[in-house]
Amino acid sequence: NAGVTQTPKFQVLKTGQSMTLQCAQDMNHEYMSWYRQDPGMGLRLIHYSVGAGITDQGEVPNGYNVSRSTTEDFPLRLLSAAPSQTSVYFCASSRRQNSNQPQHFGDGTRLSIL
Amino acid sequence: RKEVEQDPGPFNVPEGATVAFNCTYSNSASQSFFWYRQDCRKEPKLLMSVYSSGNEDGRFTAQLNRASQYISLLIRDSKLSDSATYLCVVIGVNDMRFGAGTRLTVKP
Repeated sequence: NAGVTQTPKFQVLKTGQSMTLQCAQDMNHEYMSWYRQDPGMGLRLIHYSVGAGITDQGEVPNGYNVSRSTTEDFPLRLLSAAPSQTSVYFCASSRRQNSNQPQHFGDGTRLSIL
Repeated sequence: RKEVEQDPGPFNVPEGATVAFNCTYSNSASQSFFWYRQDCRKEPKLLMSVYSSGNEDGRFTAQLNRASQYISLLIRDSKLSDSATYLCVVIGVNDMRFGAGTRLTVKP
């Protein structure tokens, strides 16, 4: 049972480069989300999706795009990487949005922008 | 003011001690509450839900005070393995907010 799988685990980019962080879940969860975690800031929601074909912005969406073509996959794209996007990124899923069901997190992607 | 606030710590306690963390939230319409545990350089994992009447899971007790808008986590008989960062999560009608976490170190 894989749960939530994120790739890559580590990545170093140069300013201006673009890349896609992959996230897949095998639990048939409707709700998927992307967070970034910075020291002293807690987890902040970037984008989320309540089902295939539906995405919406979270607290800090600027500089990121998402898509949800299937229930399983929810990739996060950095359009033009900036040093301020250096962070640890977590993908999460749960059965439904804002339910009393817990969030399941991936292992995280540690991203450094030079 | 942050919507969810936690004392960042660190809390350094000896094995066997009892330690308590609080988490305050600003949205009175918040509906669900959780405590997550995060080990260093790992993903957050659910520790326990927080129910209105308070709930216990072994050495861990969670409580909710809606009037004062805070939740708490009490850990009794601390173990070395309890060393981690504890995140509170507050769920409203349309959002989920994480606290920045409270770091706990249990020492021999």
